[in-house]
Amino acid sequence: SQKIEQNSEALNIQEGKTATLTCNYTNYSPAYLQWYRQDPGRGPVFLLLIRENEKEKRKERLKVTFDTTLKQSLFHITASQPADSATYLCALLGVVYNQGGKLIFGQGTELSVKP
Amino acid sequence: GAVVSQHPSRVICKSGTSVKIECRSLDFQATTMFWYRQFPKQSLMLMATSNEGSKATYEQGVEKDKFLINHASLTLSTLTVTSAHPEDSSFYICSALEPASGQETQYFGPGTRLLVL
Repeated sequence: SQKIEQNSEALNIQEGKTATLTCNYTNYSPAYLQWYRQDPGRGPVFLLLIRENEKEKRKERLKVTFDTTLKQSLFHITASQPADSATYLCALLGVVYNQGGKLIFGQGTELSVKP
Repeated sequence: GAVVSQHPSRVICKSGTSVKIECRSLDFQATTMFWYRQFPKQSLMLMATSNEGSKATYEQGVEKDKFLINHASLTLSTLTVTSAHPEDSSFYICSALEPASGQETQYFGPGTRLLVL
């Protein structure tokens, strides 16, 4: 069955450093992969989408890579700030319904940026 | 950007009662909405896909008679938890597909915290 794994251990880093989060998947060949941010008690917020034919995508301090050979995506936050502290979820497109895709989420990695 | 709202944000009810949660797309029309459930420290689990004007598609293991979904308009989907029990206590989150984003990006509501006593 399709499986998505994110590092379940919380990631603690110092302000100003680069945070790197990992998303691995098996038994799957997704057309694209997405990253979301979720704050406690809130719904996820979309950050970035990267397609299978894209190696890297950037948005401000965020960078996502997608290696379909390794079946892995890396999510980087450069010059991290305490405000970046949250849980980050990766999601893959599952079965495509008539008008949209069903997303399968990883369990998320909690990031804590210390001042 | 696309905004999705949910109401209520928090609800406490007695065991055996029914609870209705509303999900609205505020500035766009959504033919497809999704309902998720999230337990503490766990990932979002898709419960069902809600399509405007047709029956919802439920994921395996989700009881359609217990979790009633109605998508009566292009901006509103409702989830009713019938005869709620303590094990139904969870964080319920809806999302909607925003057409301008090419049907690829889901915009999520803020979630509804349900506590069944």
